[in-house]
Amino acid sequence: TAGITQAPTSQILAAGRSMTLRCTQDMRHNAMYWYRQDLGLGLRLIHYSNTAGTTGKGEVPDGYSVSRANTDDFPLTLASAVPSQTSVYFCASSDSEEETQYFGPGTRLLVL
Amino acid sequence: GQNIDQPTEMTATEGAIVQINCTYQTSGFNGLFWYQQHAGEAPTFLSYNVLDGLEEKGRFSSFLSRSKGYSYLLLKELQMKDSASYLCAVMDSNYQLIWGAGTKLIIKP
Repeated sequence: TAGITQAPTSQILAAGRSMTLRCTQDMRHNAMYWYRQDLGLGLRLIHYSNTAGTTGKGEVPDGYSVSRANTDDFPLTLASAVPSQTSVYFCASSDSEEETQYFGPGTRLLVL
Repeated sequence: GQNIDQPTEMTATEGAIVQINCTYQTSGFNGLFWYQQHAGEAPTFLSYNVLDGLEEKGRFSSFLSRSKGYSYLLLKELQMKDSASYLCAVMDSNYQLIWGAGTKLIIKP
């Protein structure tokens, strides 16, 4: 079982360019999440989706957008990247919003 | 505001016992989670506490006191592979996880 996959593994992006980080889960989990992890800080929630067709804003949503067209996929888009978006991005999923979250392997993004 | 505090770094000896503390102040409480994260990898789930007391799972145990806003993760019979960061997270009243910055545990032979 793959669990959660993320693509790409890593990316270098020029400032001002757009990019979509992909996340797919095969556990039929209802809830999915995007976090960023920066040195010295805890994981911070960017956006979440409690079920297909719905999304919500987390702690740090500015500069990011998400969609949840189906249960399995939860892409994160940076419309116009800035250097402060350099980070490690983790996608996670859980059976419901109250349940344990399971994480994908992460995408390491460098914005220059 | 919401806050999770845990030590930045701890060092312990192989075969010994270590306790990693976590204190929290959150808007509501729907459970406390501990995750392990090896360098360059994803966090992996270790334990969940929602009621006061000790939960034991093999070499790892987690304790919760809701009245004190306090938890600890106890690791026994330390092995070199336990060298990792340990993340404390609290689920708030909106069912969102609030994360501590993590405790980097260094195991020495």
